[in-house]
Amino acid sequence: QKEVEQDPGPLSVPEGAIVSLNCTYSNSAFQYFMWYRQYSRKGPELLMYTYSSGNKEDGRFTAQVDKSSKYISLFIRDSQPSDSATYLCAMTTGRRALTFGSGTRLQVQP
Amino acid sequence: GAVVSQHPSWVICKSGTSVKIECRSLDFQATTMFWYRQFPKQSLMLMATSNEGSKATYEQGVEKDKFLINHASLTLSTLTVTSAHPEDSSFYICSAGDRGGNTGELFFGEGSRLTVL
Repeated sequence: QKEVEQDPGPLSVPEGAIVSLNCTYSNSAFQYFMWYRQYSRKGPELLMYTYSSGNKEDGRFTAQVDKSSKYISLFIRDSQPSDSATYLCAMTTGRRALTFGSGTRLQVQP
Repeated sequence: GAVVSQHPSWVICKSGTSVKIECRSLDFQATTMFWYRQFPKQSLMLMATSNEGSKATYEQGVEKDKFLINHASLTLSTLTVTSAHPEDSSFYICSAGDRGGNTGELFFGEGSRLTVL
């Protein structure tokens, strides 16, 4: 079993839809949770960073962490074609080396 | 925001040659840098942790004599793929964090695509 599980997609939605991306994990020592966006042939770009359970909002993006269920989510409101990318969840125990999910490919149709 | 620069962004080489990839933190000092490898449509896999002034720490299954890492200064780490073979073709990405930054504030380079013929 992988430490971090993420549905690879692809996920195709119409423009303006709400997108929900999820990851589950098995290591209860993970304390820091991140979501990265990666465009094709580019390095990952940090979108959201959370520490505790609960919600964190930044513009159209909301990150949700439920440590009791070992489940994290990223919601994208009013999705745009420019949001089309691969979204990677990542987490760490605090030692900075990240464990990544496999990534979910998102396609937002105009 | 903080910037991490990688060079070259794309390299093609013949089998058996060595290739060096540089990772620089442009506006901050990084005592630790991380090297990842990403195969097509797969996630990033940590290869090694590069520590300034000391030996790198390699993940299980990564050959330290194959992937030489040097972190000679607080702004530069290099990854040398020695005697490269076609199976080493991959996307190599480095990341670094600001010395004073929080645990999660890691910044990634743009990646270096290696193609071994």
